Amino acid sequence: ILNVEQSPQSLHVQEGDSTNFTCSFPSSNFYALHWYRWETAKSPEALFVMTLNGDEKKKGRISATLNTKEGYSYLYIKGSQPEDSATYLCASGSARQLTFGSGTQLTVLP
Amino acid sequence: DADVTQTPRNRITKTGKRIMLECSQTKGHDRMYWYRQDPGLGLRLIYYSFDVKDINKGEISDGYSVSRQAQAKFSLSLESAIPNQTALYFCATSAQTGHLPPTSDDEQYFGPGTRLTVT
Repeated sequence: ILNVEQSPQSLHVQEGDSTNFTCSFPSSNFYALHWYRWETAKSPEALFVMTLNGDEKKKGRISATLNTKEGYSYLYIKGSQPEDSATYLCASGSARQLTFGSGTQLTVLP
Repeated sequence: DADVTQTPRNRITKTGKRIMLECSQTKGHDRMYWYRQDPGLGLRLIYYSFDVKDINKGEISDGYSVSRQAQAKFSLSLESAIPNQTALYFCATSAQTGHLPPTSDDEQYFGPGTRLTVT
């Protein structure tokens, strides 16, 4: 079982602020790193699947970077909006399964 | 219509009862997963299946069993429910094959969840 850790556990920001959070994972035998967005009362939905060291992915105001050599990924949100409020999960994968972190709960205050 | 469905959505049951949670998908994916989520913890893998003949234990399989009735259906059973199995249960599917390098298509698609309470 991989040890996947996310920080911070929770975060409150003001509307318009930019923010970022961290996912750390074992760097040995890296296969893939997933980010999911999980809104209250809904299902987790995939944001990014990242596979290569140095990968950068972007979807609207959300972007992510990956460093497989040191075992971390950052998720950035530019100009946070109240609708960005959610729990952001990362997961490190093998060819068979994913191990999820406990998530970062983001609250964007209007 | 949703691609991944779960029934029931909510269930309250008593200690010692047998209960089955069902998952169906129309995405045509071979891989299906059952997770549970507890407050403060991430999603933890219970069982996963790569096809109807390939079923594997996950991190926390004790007290659970599964059945893959068809490519589209994957059921989770609690043979004798206990209160610490109270949790939110998610089914998920993936197009990942594992035979090729990982791609951005390997994301998992989650059902709406089943909230189970064991009293």
